[in-house]
Amino acid sequence: LAKTTQPISMDSYEGQEVNITCSHNNIATNDYITWYQQFPSQGPRFIIQGYKTKVTNEVASLFIPADRKSSTLSLPRVSLSDTAVYYCLVGDTGRRALTFGSGTRLQVQP
Amino acid sequence: NAGVTQTPKFQVLKTGQSMTLQCAQDMNHEYMSWYRQDPGMGLRLIHYSVGAGITDQGEVPNGYNVSRSTTEDFPLRLLSAAPSQTSVYFCASKGANTGELFFGEGSRLTVL
Repeated sequence: LAKTTQPISMDSYEGQEVNITCSHNNIATNDYITWYQQFPSQGPRFIIQGYKTKVTNEVASLFIPADRKSSTLSLPRVSLSDTAVYYCLVGDTGRRALTFGSGTRLQVQP
Repeated sequence: NAGVTQTPKFQVLKTGQSMTLQCAQDMNHEYMSWYRQDPGMGLRLIHYSVGAGITDQGEVPNGYNVSRSTTEDFPLRLLSAAPSQTSVYFCASKGANTGELFFGEGSRLTVL
């Protein structure tokens, strides 16, 4: 299983862009990278998924370099409501166990 | 559009009691899993299933049993509850050809 490493916490201010990096040195060829957001007392919620290069949706972008040993979740112009824990998860789309790392606690200040 | 439904939402047990946390999904997902999350910590995988009749252990399986008799349901059984099993339990499911996990709202268990 690909192990992931993320910063424990990050602080930002409203309106800033936030980039959270995840290391996954032993990612396998078939593995995708998926990011989740979790608010207190709620289950994680899917944000974005990618395999290589760049993926963008309405809430975030995901940057994956050519060697795929890391990935960066980019949140443009964060607001107070983006205060949450963010997890990156590496796994294939098939039949393997999907394990979470420790996550990054993002605190957005006014 | 129910998604993943967990019951009960809250439960208090005494040490040694047994109980079952229910999880049901209506998305015809083959993959289902159970996680536990202790206060201030990340999610740890307990058991998972890749289809009816198939289950496998995750990171922290001791003290828990699962079965998967149908595609829709994936119950988690605590055989003899211990205070160390006090936690929030999340059930999740995933469709084929995607990495997106859909989570239930969680079941908060306290063992006294």
